[in-house]
Amino acid sequence: AQSVSQHNHHVILSEAASLELGCNYSYGGTVNLFWYVQYPGQHLQLLLKYFSGDPLVKGIKGFEAEFIKSKFSFNLRKPSVQWSDTAEYFCAASFNDMRFGAGTRLTVKP
Amino acid sequence: NAGVMQNPRHLVRRRGQEARLRCSPMKGHSHVYWYRQLPEEGLKFMVYLQKENIIDESGMPKERFSAEFPKEGPSILRIQQVVRGDSAAYFCASSPGTSGSSTDTQYFGPGTRLTVL
Repeated sequence: AQSVSQHNHHVILSEAASLELGCNYSYGGTVNLFWYVQYPGQHLQLLLKYFSGDPLVKGIKGFEAEFIKSKFSFNLRKPSVQWSDTAEYFCAASFNDMRFGAGTRLTVKP
Repeated sequence: NAGVMQNPRHLVRRRGQEARLRCSPMKGHSHVYWYRQLPEEGLKFMVYLQKENIIDESGMPKERFSAEFPKEGPSILRIQQVVRGDSAAYFCASSPGTSGSSTDTQYFGPGTRLTVL
């Protein structure tokens, strides 16, 4: 079955630490990949997306993600997190329809 | 350009009542998607609609749940005879529909938090 899995349920970092959130999908065909962020009390926002081309995708707020086809992965990264990055992060993949991971809650300590 | 709008933001119902959730897509978008976010489970796809058509309802529970997207007006997700297990956040997303599939980038509304007492 087509699915998306996020490895970490809750990540706690100090400000200025580097971030990497894992995301894997299970599907052998063409897939579009997304990362969404949900800040506390707010709705989902698109961080970045990959459709084709350069597998290293730059998004808003200093986030980037790398599509590694051989590993079926689309990990989200940020070199130096800020307290304001505290949020829930969802990886998503569109096969015939959109599938979301369970989300990773990121807490950044000031 | 207004984003996707959902109302109400919070809805409280007693068991057995009906819940109606509304979603107005972004201007120019003709595709609407509904998702449910259960605690600790992430978002789950429910239904994908175009104007006056249900394209994919594979994620909708077979009973008590229905969705529509009329020619005029918002999309409605309707839950009849609600039960406690229906308590969740329900998100609507819209897309332009230019690719002719559900792989367009989707833009999400703020969600409706349904609480069933």
